[in-house]
Amino acid sequence: GAVVSQHPSRVICKSGTSVKIECRSLDFQATTMFWYRQFPKKSLMLMATSNEGSKATYEQGVEKDKFLINHASLTLSTLTVTSAHPEDSSFYICSASGRGGTGELFFGEGSRLTVL
Amino acid sequence: AQSVTQPDIHITVSEGASLELRCNYSYGATPYLFWYVQSPGQGLQLLLKYFSGDTLVQGIKGFEAEFKRSQSSFNLRKPSVHWSDAAEYFCAVDGGATNKLIFGTGTLLAVQP
Repeated sequence: GAVVSQHPSRVICKSGTSVKIECRSLDFQATTMFWYRQFPKKSLMLMATSNEGSKATYEQGVEKDKFLINHASLTLSTLTVTSAHPEDSSFYICSASGRGGTGELFFGEGSRLTVL
Repeated sequence: AQSVTQPDIHITVSEGASLELRCNYSYGATPYLFWYVQSPGQGLQLLLKYFSGDTLVQGIKGFEAEFKRSQSSFNLRKPSVHWSDAAEYFCAVDGGATNKLIFGTGTLLAVQP
């Protein structure tokens, strides 16, 4: 099946710094990518929908100025957590769907962010 | 609004025993339904999906799920659990065929030897 890769898998940063997480579709073109946040022992919460070449659509309650999403190419979307604080510590997962719409999403391995 | 409920937060079964994980959804029409599995610290892997047609869906790793419209349920089953099945299982719904999935809170499966 299709492969989606996230990088880094783990990142630790100091409070106030910004962190960028990459999501790549390795063997298909992803017209749409989704960013999820998963809290410990909680479900995945959709943060935003990223469409190639256009602005991301954020879910209610997600600060778009804090969580910057860029989908500059058909194989890469990035999530930048700006001015990170300890409460931003979480597991961030991206997913991607390709052209043609099989109805299947392909998920990355996730990125564990720890803000000290 | 769409929602997904997984009533069981944590289930423990013995290896070789049968398994059923419950999932109920709320949506006005027939949704697209999915089951995903997540191993610790990993992303999600699709086990199976239901779009239309036969209400009994076969997936990978010996899993199956049955869509029951009258009960708004999509329970996941496996006749004989293996130790490697220990993981967290998420049911999800896509009400608008947009790939914008709404996830349940997950069921953590532990397998006893």
